[in-house]
Amino acid sequence: DTAVSQTPKYLVTQMGNDKSIKCEQNLGHDTMYWYKQDSKKFLKIMFSYNNKELIINETVPNRFSPKSPDKAHLNLHINSLELGDSAVYFCASSQQGLAGEQYFGPGTRLTVT
Amino acid sequence: GENVEQHPSTLSVQEGDSAVIKCTYSDSASNYFPWYKQELGKRPQLIIDIRSNVGEKKDQRIAVTLNKTAKHFSLHITETQPEDSAVYFCAAPEDSNYQLIWGAGTKLIIKP
Repeated sequence: DTAVSQTPKYLVTQMGNDKSIKCEQNLGHDTMYWYKQDSKKFLKIMFSYNNKELIINETVPNRFSPKSPDKAHLNLHINSLELGDSAVYFCASSQQGLAGEQYFGPGTRLTVT
Repeated sequence: GENVEQHPSTLSVQEGDSAVIKCTYSDSASNYFPWYKQELGKRPQLIIDIRSNVGEKKDQRIAVTLNKTAKHFSLHITETQPEDSAVYFCAAPEDSNYQLIWGAGTKLIIKP
C-alpha cells in the first residue's frame, strides 16, 4: 500500500527526446509537488499543484510541464531533453499544504546522454 | 521571498556524541519549520517539525529549537547512532509562491 509512487524508477534517454514521469498518491491529499534533486543534493521545487491551481517556479524551463488528470495523479512531461536535466525527480504530496508533512515518492533517476 | 541557509554542509561526529545543525530564514512571517532526513538512495522523510508558537519540540533523541527573534532554528540529535548517518534538510514556507524553501542539506557522518 505505497503512499506515493512514481514510474519509472530509472530513465535513460538521449538529448532531444521527450519523456514523461508518472506520479500517483493514495493518501487523498489535495496538494502535489514535483522536485528536482541534482548531484549536489539540492532540493529544488519545480511545481506545486493545489485544487487545480498550478504554481510554477519561475526558474523552471517551459520544456517541463505538469499534467494532473485527477487529484491523485500529477505527471511530469519533459520536452527536448538536455544534459542538464539529468537528476533525480521526486514527486510529493501533502494534506495541509505548506504547513504539513510532505510525503515523497521513491524518486526517478533521469540520465540524459 | 524566503531564503534559508543551512550549516554546516558536512558534520562528522563520534558515535554516541551529539550533533547540531542550524538553519536561518529571512521571512519573519514564516510559521512552520520542518526537518527531513534523506538516507543514501532513499526519499526525504519528515523527522520533526515545529510551529512558530513554540520554542522547542522533542521526540526521543531528536529535538528542534526555534528562535523567532533571531530567525533561526536548529536540529539536535543526542546519543548519535550509525543509522543517523544521512543528509538532513531544513525548510521554511514561502506562502506567496506556495512552496517550501529548502536548505542546502547537511551530510551527517557518524564515526564508529
